[in-house]
Amino acid sequence: SQQGEEDPQALSIQEGENATMNCSYKTSINNLQWYRQNSGRGLVHLILIRSNEREKHSGRLRVTLDTSKKSSSLLITASRAADTASYFCATDSNTDKLIFGTGTRLQVFP
Amino acid sequence: EPEVTQTPSHQVTQMGQEVILRCVPISNHLYFYWYRQILGQKVEFLVSFYNNEISEKSEIFDDQFSVERPDGSNFTLKIRSTKLEDSAMYFCASNSGTSGRAETQYFGPGTRLLVL
Repeated sequence: SQQGEEDPQALSIQEGENATMNCSYKTSINNLQWYRQNSGRGLVHLILIRSNEREKHSGRLRVTLDTSKKSSSLLITASRAADTASYFCATDSNTDKLIFGTGTRLQVFP
Repeated sequence: EPEVTQTPSHQVTQMGQEVILRCVPISNHLYFYWYRQILGQKVEFLVSFYNNEISEKSEIFDDQFSVERPDGSNFTLKIRSTKLEDSAMYFCASNSGTSGRAETQYFGPGTRLLVL
């Protein structure tokens, strides 16, 4: 798999349900970041988790990082229609660049 | 809250023309970046800029591309002779660099470039 691959590619849920998205990567990292992108719009930073951290919370977001499995998950609890967007993980491997994943398209139905 | 801004939001140009995409990073940030996203594809790194010089660039960033920080606030990406395949959304980003490079990168809203 490529550095930064998310699954599922697409996810449809009802409002109030939880949404879980996963990201896998190949090389060692300094940190992993999650971004949201509404259709055709800019990237909004959600959360950054460092390689020495295992879990982080921000509001309704919960991110986990398992460096032994080279994977991360993003959980959105009590989803809302406004959470409908594409979600990307991006890894920083001690270079200047972020490497983005392919993204998960989340659709939350009212 | 401070944010990265980009102009224009949309740009349509003819193949072979030069375009300049403009960005105003968050003030007091030290690292600046350009990324692009071809429709339906991943966001791809183009170039990073620190201390008034390019610190890293990707294979995409060939001789047709250049970046400049002409003053204390603007950061520009120039494409000298656009090709059809340059059509994409171009994102500028910056980070504070207070903990080195391993910091949150804040992205602008993007410039959608269409080359005809």
